[in-house]
Amino acid sequence: GAGVSQSPSNKVTEKGKDVELRCDPISGHTALYWYRQSLGQGLEFLIYFQGNSAPDKSGLPSDRFSAERTGGSVSTLTIQRTQQEDSAVYLCASSSTGYSLYGYTFGSGTRLTVV
Amino acid sequence: SQQGEEDPQALSIQEGENATMNCSYKTSINNLQWYRQNSGRGLVHLILIRSNEREKHSGRLRVTLDTSKKSSSLLITASRAADTASYFCATNSGGSNYKLTFGKGTLLTVNP
Repeated sequence: GAGVSQSPSNKVTEKGKDVELRCDPISGHTALYWYRQSLGQGLEFLIYFQGNSAPDKSGLPSDRFSAERTGGSVSTLTIQRTQQEDSAVYLCASSSTGYSLYGYTFGSGTRLTVV
Repeated sequence: SQQGEEDPQALSIQEGENATMNCSYKTSINNLQWYRQNSGRGLVHLILIRSNEREKHSGRLRVTLDTSKKSSSLLITASRAADTASYFCATNSGGSNYKLTFGKGTLLTVNP
């Protein structure tokens, strides 16, 4: 597509429920990133996918968080048993290579609110 | 952990004035990038400067990098109300050539 698409744009969920966030990167971009932004804060790295390589999961805050990327394209970030501290904007980005030199293209994010 | 720290946290200026934002970082970098974020949603890549460069220009944007001081500045000249946004610096460092570490950003308000 023309840009990075994320869905849903907003999600309100009850504490303890599972949520799935979707990211559709720019066609042909091999690298995909998930970041989290809490209110008034900078971006926190979560996970990185590059082609068929094993993902860098070093930023996932707990084992309640997982992500997958199917067919080298669409990615889903899953949060199990959501907690109030999971409330944040979840941003997905893609780039044409796994090298940051060309910058990232971000989606508009999913605002997650856990009540 | 955050590598970049922007200064000031917030900046309010009049349309037509120049805006300068600063970024300091802790470890050696491969490159430093500036992004803009409107209304707390997606970020837009503005400009990238490599560690062996000292200054870059793009339209009304001018970025400088001083690796000896581990700092960068973003200058927006002749600001417009549409420049109102949060501005983030992001660094790429170490052996990870893909991961960017973002600061907390500077909120710029340009008053008409």
